[in-house]
Order: sequence, then C-alpha cells, then structure tokens
Amino acid sequence: AQSVTQLDSHVSVSEGTPVLLRCNYSSSYSPSLFWYVQHPNKGLQLLLKYTSAATLVKGINGFEAEFKKSETSFHLTKPSAHMSDAAEYFCVVSDLNAAASKLTFGTGTRLQVTL
Amino acid sequence: DTGVSQDPRHKITKRGQNVTFRCDPISEHNRLYWYRQTLGQGPEFLTYFQNEAQLEKSRLLSDRFSAERPKGSFSTLEIQRTEQGDSAMYLCASRGQGEVRETQYFGPGTRLLVL
Repeated sequence: AQSVTQLDSHVSVSEGTPVLLRCNYSSSYSPSLFWYVQHPNKGLQLLLKYTSAATLVKGINGFEAEFKKSETSFHLTKPSAHMSDAAEYFCVVSDLNAAASKLTFGTGTRLQVTL
Repeated sequence: DTGVSQDPRHKITKRGQNVTFRCDPISEHNRLYWYRQTLGQGPEFLTYFQNEAQLEKSRLLSDRFSAERPKGSFSTLEIQRTEQGDSAMYLCASRGQGEVRETQYFGPGTRLLVL
C-alpha cells in the first residue's frame, strides 16, 4: 500500500519569503511522486514530478522538490512567495508496479500568502 | 486548460434522484480515471479505464455507482438514488499510453450537491 502524509494543513507566509510545504511518503515500491496545485474553482495542475531521475526536481512557477529516500520525504520549496501562489497543494504518490498507476493524494496544505 | 473537459460543472439534485456526469479526455489518451474529492480532503481514486475496459474499481464505488467508457473515448459516471453523502467534486483525469510515469491530466471537475 502507498500513502502520503502532508505534515501541515495550513501554511502562512509573507510575500517574498521562502515557502516550505512538507510531505512524507510510504510505498512498497519505487514510487513516482508529484505535487499538484489547486486554485479555487480551478482544476488540479501539475507542479512537478519525481520519476527516479534527478533527486532535485524543478517545476513550474519557481517551485522545487527534493526526493530524499532515507527520510522518505518529498518537500516542496520556493525561494520567494508570490500572492498568486495562494492555493491548495497536494503531495501525491503513484505505485509504478500497479497497472492502473492510480494516484494517492495527501490531505492537502493550504498556502496563504500575506502582504 | 489541460484539455480534459467535464460536463456539467455543477449539479444540484434532490436525494434519491439519478445523476450522470461526462468526461472527455485528451483525444490520444487511452487511460481514464475518476476520482472523488470531498470538502477539505484530497481526491480519492474511484475507477480506471484502459480504452473501453474498466480494469479497477475502488471500494468507494458502491453498487449505486456505475461508470462506462463505451468506445474508449468519453466516459460517463452515473450515481443512482443519490444520497447526501454523495455530495463532492467528481474529477476525471486522463493519461497517455507507454511509460507509466506519464502524468495524469485533470479536468475541472463536476461539483455535486445532493439536497
């Protein structure tokens, strides 16, 4: 079985300060890991994905995530938050050994960006 | 816009009524997924199609739920005798064939409210 734990349900940062959204995963196999973002009344958008290549993954809008197998973590970071980053962020794991490769989502972290 | 469309975007119904949702995936994608997202939670997997074959169903998919993908293109999700607990966002995603690490692209979702 696979699962992800998002350690913070809500994170608040000031505009221009760094963002850290934490995620730990559990998987019996070599996982694929993703971060998706969901803006209000909009669909889920892929930010970035880890697929067993480079452990530091760069995504859209300046976001990055580092896969750390020893810590079973895949934390999402951004050096400088922008007001437009305010949204719900989901850490996601996929079991590559299953035919369906269905996605298992965390419970989400709501990012608030203040002036 | 990911290229995955869903219709309707919103549906309000009374308890006991039947509802049907439609998903049109990206045209060249042969894999299609349905997920359900309740308030404050991450999406949860419901079912998976490869072409027209329904290959996996979650335990969340009770007997009142049925999904089809008759020609391997669009898909429908029907809920019979709706209950208030069915109120949620229903999300559709599609993925291309080939490497399992390919991304799932999500539609905007259908928000269902059962009164």
